[in-house]
Amino acid sequence: KNEVEQSPQNLTAQEGEFITINCSYSVGISALHWLQQHPGGGIVSLFMLSSGKKKHGRLIATINIQEKHSSLHITASHPRDSAVYICAVRPYTGNQFYFGTGTSLTVIP
Amino acid sequence: DTAVSQTPKYLVTQMGNDKSIKCEQNLGHDTMYWYKQDSKKFLKIMFSYNNKELIINETVPNRFSPKSPDKAHLNLHINSLELGDSAVYFCASSHGGQGGRNTGELFFGEGSRLTVL
Repeated sequence: KNEVEQSPQNLTAQEGEFITINCSYSVGISALHWLQQHPGGGIVSLFMLSSGKKKHGRLIATINIQEKHSSLHITASHPRDSAVYICAVRPYTGNQFYFGTGTSLTVIP
Repeated sequence: DTAVSQTPKYLVTQMGNDKSIKCEQNLGHDTMYWYKQDSKKFLKIMFSYNNKELIINETVPNRFSPKSPDKAHLNLHINSLELGDSAVYFCASSHGGQGGRNTGELFFGEGSRLTVL
């Protein structure tokens, strides 16, 4: 069983739609990261969260530490948002990161 | 300036060859990682070094040997390449931390796509 579970695995949306990607984890963490990987591209960090909510442009990330759950929201989605979104957590102890299996998002014009 | 840089970006080679991938970070981080990304985009940890010291060594064939000459560099050498080694290998770095301390983001290199023929 993976320490980090993401849903959905695949998501297709029409341009302009509001999108939510969910992440649940099973370990105590010091931080949660949302990462983005465009097709054939590198991996970039979108957010690092340890509590509450963060917003960057059309992207919003929230975390509920008690429920061990985080969501990534994209408002007014655009085809350029098409990418794989990966949730990663850093446990309290050690230098390891645990990764979700990723959510592949396709936004259709 | 690129924060985490890996070379080469693409590598095509024959089975049985030996190859190396280099990684350098200019962020002043003390922890570096090598991840293997499979065809389903899942990232699997291979190795992690903290201040040149090996701290994570997952179940990886002995043909894979990491080397960290200093805390800004972590290279990956692969001997006797096999077809199953074909993947994208990502180097990453962060500040290491202990117990509950939020120590910073995880920065990735652009990846090295290895194809073994």
